[in-house]
Amino acid sequence: EAGVAQSPRYKIIEKRQSVAFWCNPISGHATLYWYQQILGQGPKLLIQFQNNGVVDDSQLPKDRFSAERLKGVDSTLKIQPAKLEDSAVYLCASSPRHPGPTLGTEAFFGQGTRLTVV
Amino acid sequence: AQSVTQLGSHVSVSEGALVLLRCNYSSSVPPYLFWYVQYPNQGLQLLLKYTSAATLVKGINGFEAEFKKSETSFHLTKPSAHMSDAAEYFCAVSEDNQGGSEKLVFGKGTKLTVNP
Repeated sequence: EAGVAQSPRYKIIEKRQSVAFWCNPISGHATLYWYQQILGQGPKLLIQFQNNGVVDDSQLPKDRFSAERLKGVDSTLKIQPAKLEDSAVYLCASSPRHPGPTLGTEAFFGQGTRLTVV
Repeated sequence: AQSVTQLGSHVSVSEGALVLLRCNYSSSVPPYLFWYVQYPNQGLQLLLKYTSAATLVKGINGFEAEFKKSETSFHLTKPSAHMSDAAEYFCAVSEDNQGGSEKLVFGKGTKLTVNP
């Protein structure tokens, strides 16, 4: 079974430029997450999709970040314009969990995209 | 909101020594807890998870964790460290999210160094 694919692996941009990250989740996984991992910290959820609908984007800086999930499969995360504090690893994860009362479903992570804003 | 606290951002052990990584949780309901490992320049990989079936959970690579409700802890252990265990370890708690979904809330991580 193929894992979660992300591209690019690394990206260096200047502040105020724009950047986009791509994620292809594991086939059949309904839930897709984008996490931001700043150096020295744990991953923080930016946005969560259930199929192609947004479930939670409460931590997404909507003035500069946007995300979409096309046809409930692939997803892109965009930053425009980037700031120095956006330097981080952006992790995409997917989960086979469907809505319901049972918790404890494993999330599968991609290798991440390391963004450096200079 | 639920949360986890990892005590010690850096832990250093000798090869062959016991590994103990600490995690305490805060939850108003029975928690679902996870340990993930992140090797350099890699994504997160699940080591083990607690879902109330048994308090002692065995995971991959010889790691295990014990859920202690009285101490609100879920510490990760391995009897004998190997050089390949050097990585960053994250404790996480699963939380109800909108629309019947769930999300993971992570601790800040503990970087494990294994000395020869």
